Amino acid sequence: NAGVTQTPKFRILKIGQSMTLQCTQDMNHNYMYWYRQDPGMGLKLIYYSVGAGITDKGEVPNGYNVSRSTTEDFPLRLELAAPSQTSVYFCASSVPTQSYGYTFGSGTRLTVV
Amino acid sequence: DQQVKQNSPSLSVQEGRISILNCDYTNSMFDYFLWYKKYPAEGPTFLISISSIKDKNEDGRFTVFLNKSAKHLSLHIVPSQPGDSAVYFCAATDYGGSQGNLIFGKGTKLSVKP
Repeated sequence: NAGVTQTPKFRILKIGQSMTLQCTQDMNHNYMYWYRQDPGMGLKLIYYSVGAGITDKGEVPNGYNVSRSTTEDFPLRLELAAPSQTSVYFCASSVPTQSYGYTFGSGTRLTVV
Repeated sequence: DQQVKQNSPSLSVQEGRISILNCDYTNSMFDYFLWYKKYPAEGPTFLISISSIKDKNEDGRFTVFLNKSAKHLSLHIVPSQPGDSAVYFCAATDYGGSQGNLIFGKGTKLSVKP
């Protein structure tokens, strides 16, 4: 049981480049999330999805886009990379019951130079 | 404005002793609280949670206490072990209003010395 899988693990981008961070889960969870963690800071919600075809903005959505065409996949797109997007990105999934916490992927460390 | 605050960036404890990690929140609508543990180069993993209808939840060496009037919760680890060394995040949610989105604190780095 793989859980939540994120690729790539590391990436260096040049300013203005674009890329897609991949996230897939095999637990049939309806809810999926993208968080970013800056050094010394907590996790901040970028986007979330409550099911295929439904996405919504979180606390820090600017500069990012998402799509949810299937239950399993929730890719995060950076169109014009900026140094402020240097961070560690975590994807997570959950079921909408109180007894479950989120299941997180292992993260993607992104550096924009 | 931070809704979930962990005011101690780090904590050092001797093996076998108690570790107490604290968390404060400002939003009175929060009704569910969770603790996550994170090792370097890994994603956070769920540790323990508590509903606002309870004031204590216990799971082995880990106990979470909730004081709603003070808007404060704490995580107790007894006895502490070197393998508990990690960053601990407090998180809160208002299930009724935000579809379960978690708000995280900045984390406390726990070091357990052998």
